[in-house]
Amino acid sequence: AQKITQTQPGMFVQEKEAVTLDCTYDTSDQSYGLFWYKQPSSGEMIFLIYQGSYDEQNATEGRYSLNFQKARKSANLVISASQLGDSAMYFCAMRDHNAGNMLTFGGGTRLMVKP
Amino acid sequence: NAGVMQNPRHLVRRRGQEARLRCSPMKGHSHVYWYRQLPEEGLKFMVYLQKENIIDESGMPKERFSAEFPKEGPSILRIQQVVRGDSAAYFCASSTGGGEGYTFGSGTRLTVV
Repeated sequence: AQKITQTQPGMFVQEKEAVTLDCTYDTSDQSYGLFWYKQPSSGEMIFLIYQGSYDEQNATEGRYSLNFQKARKSANLVISASQLGDSAMYFCAMRDHNAGNMLTFGGGTRLMVKP
Repeated sequence: NAGVMQNPRHLVRRRGQEARLRCSPMKGHSHVYWYRQLPEEGLKFMVYLQKENIIDESGMPKERFSAEFPKEGPSILRIQQVVRGDSAAYFCASSTGGGEGYTFGSGTRLTVV
């Protein structure tokens, strides 16, 4: 069975600083995908970044980058130059390509950006 | 190019009533997934459907919950005889079935009073 663990229930970061949100996963499969989503207070799920298990380079999307360490089974999200609008819940998720493509989510991290 | 459309956005039902949640996938997407999010928790998978077929319903409660994705029209998640514990946000996602394309709707927030 797949499992996603986010050990930081809440985090503070100063505006304009970088922050790392932790995510570890557990799977016996070789082919999988890792996602990060942002959920602001309005409730929608906003896709941020994706990493495939066979991708050799870490994914980057603007201010978001994914620190993928396959041997350690970690997929941490790094947000550079934090902005007040980054305050939200952040969810890490994994998709098993052999099991119908459904996502397994972690419990989330609430990020609060201080001005 | 509209995204995944869910309606209603908010739904209030009394205990014992039925709730019907609708999801129209993105254009070109034939795979639909339903997830439930309880307060302060991550999303939990419920059911995976393709047109006219339920592919995986391993996350669906055994009673009162059903889902369909007909040949024409949106996917429907139906909850019969709702109870207070059904109060949650219900998200629909769609995909092409491969790759990383996976898009969520804005969710339906169900409140059972």
